[in-house]
Amino acid sequence: KQEVTQIPAALSVPEGENLVLNCSFTDSAIYNLQWFRQDPGKGLTSLLLIQSSQREQTSGRLNASLDKSSGRSTLYIAASQPGDSATYLCAVRDSGGGADGLTFGKGTHLIIQP
Amino acid sequence: DTAVSQTPKYLVTQMGNDKSIKCEQNLGHDTMYWYKQDSKKFLKIMFSYNNKELIINETVPNRFSPKSPDKAHLNLHINSLELGDSAVYFCASSHRGRFTDTQYFGPGTRLTVL
Repeated sequence: KQEVTQIPAALSVPEGENLVLNCSFTDSAIYNLQWFRQDPGKGLTSLLLIQSSQREQTSGRLNASLDKSSGRSTLYIAASQPGDSATYLCAVRDSGGGADGLTFGKGTHLIIQP
Repeated sequence: DTAVSQTPKYLVTQMGNDKSIKCEQNLGHDTMYWYKQDSKKFLKIMFSYNNKELIINETVPNRFSPKSPDKAHLNLHINSLELGDSAVYFCASSHRGRFTDTQYFGPGTRLTVL
């Protein structure tokens, strides 16, 4: 059974710093990995999706990497801003075929101090 | 032009009642999902539907039943509500593709059972 772990559970940094969020998964047989952002009381916003054949994806100040063989992904946020404060969730879609749902980590609660 | 919408946003009800949550997507996706986010903010897949066919059901009690009148809608019916059903329920959708099926989430429905 797939398990997804995110470290750290919470992180508070001053504005302007670069930071890395970590995600690990136990079963490397995945189709893709997705990073989401969740603001308090809100739904999830998809940030990046990395296919199993890819090593990284970039969107603006965000860069996500994937090392499928070791079961790890990182989300790099450059030049952090207070608006980046949110909970960041990592989720994997397993190679089980069909329209499988995502297995989520418990998230990293990020606070960017102005 | 909301992509994935849910109604109601909040639902407060008594134990033992039966309730429904509606979900609609206008993205032309062929697969829809229901997730539950518990009090510890942990997200877990409940159901997925592809072309009106249930694909997975992750050990959810049979008091919960998804119903899909068409590809754009997946409603969640809950019978005999229990205190432990209190959570935020998220609907999501994606286009069934092996690697590029980014999931888009609705804003969530906060269910409180008294």
